[in-house]
Amino acid sequence: EVQLVESGGGLVQPGGSLRLSCAASGFTFSSDDMHWVRRATGKGLEWVSAITSAGDTYYAGSLKGRFTVSRENAKNSLYLQMNSLRVEDTAVYYCTRKRGYGYAFDYWGQGTLVTVSS
Amino acid sequence: DIQMTQSPSTLSASVGDRVTITCRASQSISIWLAWYQQKPGKAPKLLIYKASSLESGVPSRFSGSGSGTEFTLTISSLQPDDFATYYCQQYDSYWTFGQGTKVEIK
Repeated sequence: EVQLVESGGGLVQPGGSLRLSCAASGFTFSSDDMHWVRRATGKGLEWVSAITSAGDTYYAGSLKGRFTVSRENAKNSLYLQMNSLRVEDTAVYYCTRKRGYGYAFDYWGQGTLVTVSS
Repeated sequence: DIQMTQSPSTLSASVGDRVTITCRASQSISIWLAWYQQKPGKAPKLLIYKASSLESGVPSRFSGSGSGTEFTLTISSLQPDDFATYYCQQYDSYWTFGQGTKVEIK
């Protein structure tokens, strides 16, 4: 059974940093592209970042330079390092798997809440 | 950047109704479109990919159509479990979600 479990969320002050983790199981993690998506309260889904199986990284334009995505295939883990956090980064962050070329995001974690507030 | 626009933003319907949600892309995305369902406090669930392919385990009352810039999600007979928010997503160039359509009980 495919499972994605996020952790690392919490309360942080504006300007602070946080590192999210996503533990994957039930599939060959190293073979799949992985993404981060967030949803702020009262708003819609927003794509955040991606890392391919080859290690190529992509970011939403508004986040580039502040967020860094990485993966550790030996640990079946995905990470999102978030720096210079802003109030508007407050959201539930989901990790999700993209199932191969031409497919969409088929498995999602339960999400981890990041609150940026003073 | 490709923008995705869904309509309507909110839809009030009754059990048994046929429901259609529209999604428009700011430029052609071929068939690289997905639909997701999200309920409060839950992760999104993939319903449709490649514009019209039904994800495994998703009831056949859900269907998708379209190509290029215009797409639709249709629920043929709305069930109590279907009251939720629906999002389209393009994955032709990077990844962009529509703003969502909330399906409410009439």
